[in-house]
Amino acid sequence: DGGITQSPKYLFRKEGQNVTLSCEQNLNHDAMYWYRQDPGQGLRLIYYSQIVNDFQKGDIAEGYSVSREKKESFPLTVTSAQKNPTAFYLCASKFRTVYNEQFFGPGTRLTVL
Amino acid sequence: AQKVTQAQTEISVVEKEDVTLDCVYETRDTTYYLFWYKQPPSGELVFLIRRNSFDEQNEISGRYSWNFQKSTSSFNFTITASQVVDSAVYFCALSGSSGAGSYQLTFGKGTKLSVIP
Repeated sequence: DGGITQSPKYLFRKEGQNVTLSCEQNLNHDAMYWYRQDPGQGLRLIYYSQIVNDFQKGDIAEGYSVSREKKESFPLTVTSAQKNPTAFYLCASKFRTVYNEQFFGPGTRLTVL
Repeated sequence: AQKVTQAQTEISVVEKEDVTLDCVYETRDTTYYLFWYKQPPSGELVFLIRRNSFDEQNEISGRYSWNFQKSTSSFNFTITASQVVDSAVYFCALSGSSGAGSYQLTFGKGTKLSVIP
């Protein structure tokens, strides 16, 4: 079955630690995205990538890093520089043409202890 | 800059009632795309519909219908005969056709719908 997988579903981190969230898709989509969701805030774009080995900052990239070494994978690292990382993180992907919709993974809930 | 406003933060209805979720958008692009997503309690966003700016025909899919009006920059979503399974957060989103806006979705803050049995 085609789809987007994110792991882990729940993640706990101590302050000062970096953590990496996984996002994999087998939909042959070109573009991939990372969003952060906080209560009452909607979704905010962290990073996106249109093609392999290229990515762009979104609206709230500070404290995060990404890589896009393979078309299927777009991992997100939450660094210790991110001051308030507790949130729900959603990964999405789509074909590169403008009009196509994004499809979302199940999300990772990150809690900083 | 693009903006999507969902003025209704939370709505509660009794099962079988009809409910309309409002969405107002702002964009400078002449061609753009509008979307609705559903987020059930599990968290995953589910795509519901895409509408192109050059196609103002309204759409109906089962109990769901969408009313797109360019004159008022609105793309409202109506659920007819609501059911408990419709309880979720619903997001309206906008994508432009030029520059960075063509690759990004701008989301509204969402409307939480609770359908009471």
